[in-house]
Amino acid sequence: GQQVMQIPQYQHVQEGEDFTTYCNSSTTLSNIQWYKQRPGGHPVFLIQLVKSGEVKKQKRLTFQFGEAKKNSSLHITATQTTDVGTYFCAGESGYSTLTFGKGTMLLVSP
Amino acid sequence: EAGVAQSPRYKIIEKRQSVAFWCNPISGHATLYWYQQILGQGPKLLIQFQNNGVVDDSQLPKDRFSAERLKGVDSTLKIQPAKLEDSAVYLCASSTLGRRGQFFGPGTRLTVL
Repeated sequence: GQQVMQIPQYQHVQEGEDFTTYCNSSTTLSNIQWYKQRPGGHPVFLIQLVKSGEVKKQKRLTFQFGEAKKNSSLHITATQTTDVGTYFCAGESGYSTLTFGKGTMLLVSP
Repeated sequence: EAGVAQSPRYKIIEKRQSVAFWCNPISGHATLYWYQQILGQGPKLLIQFQNNGVVDDSQLPKDRFSAERLKGVDSTLKIQPAKLEDSAVYLCASSTLGRRGQFFGPGTRLTVL
């Protein structure tokens, strides 16, 4: 079945540093979604990417979808303590429903 | 708009007992999902409904898990009998065609002793 891998599993940064998490799928995706889950909370939808090579920005967050539609990244510029949480990518293809990666846990120290 | 509602929020049972979870999706959302999230992992889809029909239940352990969405609105997920490895957070989510992303409820944290 479809597999979605995320790296790193965990990252600890100082406030103001940048952060990037990477997502790779074993199959070509029709779309990829990103979610954020705060400690003790539930996943919250951030964005969906559909087009090959697509880049979208949300304030300090930049999302990219690879040309082959098998990988994606999330980059946070100048992290803040409010960015703490686990970031999940989730991929969907024509043959499968949404499959989540294991997530990248981000810890930001002030 | 009101979010996805789930109850109970917490449940502790002994192995071999049964348990049921309830979910009420966002009004108008035709698609409803049940996920299992084990600590340190991403949500794993158990079952997906479109209105009151099942779209995908390939990862539902059907010997012990069952789910229904009889009127195409709220849904229940049942485990009978529970095993220790069922300890997890059970998340319900909903979505609507034409609107991107899934909207999750607060989840039910199940502990099986």
